[in-house]
Amino acid sequence: EDQVTQSPEALRLQEGESSSLNCSYTVSGLRGLFWYRQDPGKGPEFLFTLYSAGEEKEKERLKATLTKKESFLHITAPKPEDSATYLCAVQADTGGFKTIFGAGTRLFVKA
Amino acid sequence: EAQVTQNPRYLITVTGKKLTVTCSQNMNHEYMSWYRQDPGLGLRQIYYSMNVEVTDKGDVPEGYKVSRKEKRNFPLILESPSPNQTSLYFCASSLSSPTPYSSEQYFGPGTRLTVT
Repeated sequence: EDQVTQSPEALRLQEGESSSLNCSYTVSGLRGLFWYRQDPGKGPEFLFTLYSAGEEKEKERLKATLTKKESFLHITAPKPEDSATYLCAVQADTGGFKTIFGAGTRLFVKA
Repeated sequence: EAQVTQNPRYLITVTGKKLTVTCSQNMNHEYMSWYRQDPGLGLRQIYYSMNVEVTDKGDVPEGYKVSRKEKRNFPLILESPSPNQTSLYFCASSLSSPTPYSSEQYFGPGTRLTVT
């Protein structure tokens, strides 16, 4: 069964304290792995798409990487405005175009 | 402005009273989808549509119906709502990319539904 697991559930950081969020996935064939950011009361906002193992993408303080079994979202020198829930999702390459989301990691960055 | 809109944003209803949540996008996207979001469970896909008149089930389709008669609209229908359908609902759309790729989804602002 296709599955996405994110860890930790919540992460508290001091401003400037770098860390990583993990997304482990089990799918029969990966069409794409997505990272989204969700602020309270709002819809998810797209950050990155990764397609194949070894791929990396960067945007400001965020860097996403992909292996055959997991993806990491690295946050370098976070700021309070980076506080949000970060969601990982996969589309599998089997039987249709279902999208499977993980439960998310809530990130809190304290000034 | 490119956007996905949902209506209503908030809805309180009673068990068994049919309701429709509308979703519209102005980006000419082929792919549209409905999700529900519950605490601790994340986003779960209800139904998706690859194009007009083409729909398929996601992971939690029971108790829901959809239709795609126009490219821009993808309404979610609850024919007989029950309390376990109380949730935050999101509509999303994206371009259809050729295999083996897939495209990012653009999400609406959400509809908070309470069924008593």
